[in-house]
Amino acid sequence: DVKVTQSSRYLVKRTGEKVFLECVQDMDHENMFWYRQDPGLGLRLIYFSYDVKMKEKGDIPEGYSVSREKKERFSLILESASTNQTSMYLCASSGGRGGYNEQFFGPGTRLTVL
Amino acid sequence: AQRVTQPEKLLSVFKGAPVELKCNYSYSGSPELFWYVQYSRQRLQLLLRHISRESIKGFTADLNKGETSFHLKKPFAQEEDSAMYYCALLTDSWGKLQFGAGTQVVVTP
Repeated sequence: DVKVTQSSRYLVKRTGEKVFLECVQDMDHENMFWYRQDPGLGLRLIYFSYDVKMKEKGDIPEGYSVSREKKERFSLILESASTNQTSMYLCASSGGRGGYNEQFFGPGTRLTVL
Repeated sequence: AQRVTQPEKLLSVFKGAPVELKCNYSYSGSPELFWYVQYSRQRLQLLLRHISRESIKGFTADLNKGETSFHLKKPFAQEEDSAMYYCALLTDSWGKLQFGAGTQVVVTP
């Protein structure tokens, strides 16, 4: 059973704080993704990584960065949190290279920035 | 431009009635499409993909390239079908997906 875990279920931060969201998968998947999920907007890709230390920008990377030092862990960093980054953040992973491989999602982190 | 459109934000149906969730896409290549579902307090998960041509939990979806649509259908809705449904389009060889805005389905008894 694929397991994708996220470090926090709920997080409350203040404007300007540096925020780390952690994601860990236990299935040796090559690919990992960070999305934000907003009502009326669906899921939007922030960043994805297809290998350790490799990363690519998604559709909305502004204000975010990522780190992937180990294959199983993919971190999303908000350098200076702002209120418009209040959202649900979903991490996903998928195995294999090339084409479609099912993405498995974590439970999500609901971030509130005050 | 690659785009996935789900025109209905909310679909309310009675138990036993048919349900159809609309999905239209814009893509220049040969499309590969999926439906993902998120039940209350559960993770987002894959429901079905068009190339498998399966019926999952009574749901089917047919890719219509002429109408650029991939509507999700079920002949008799059940209360356990209440969930958020997302249509998604494969956009590159790395497996990235473009998701639609989602449709919330509420099945009332």
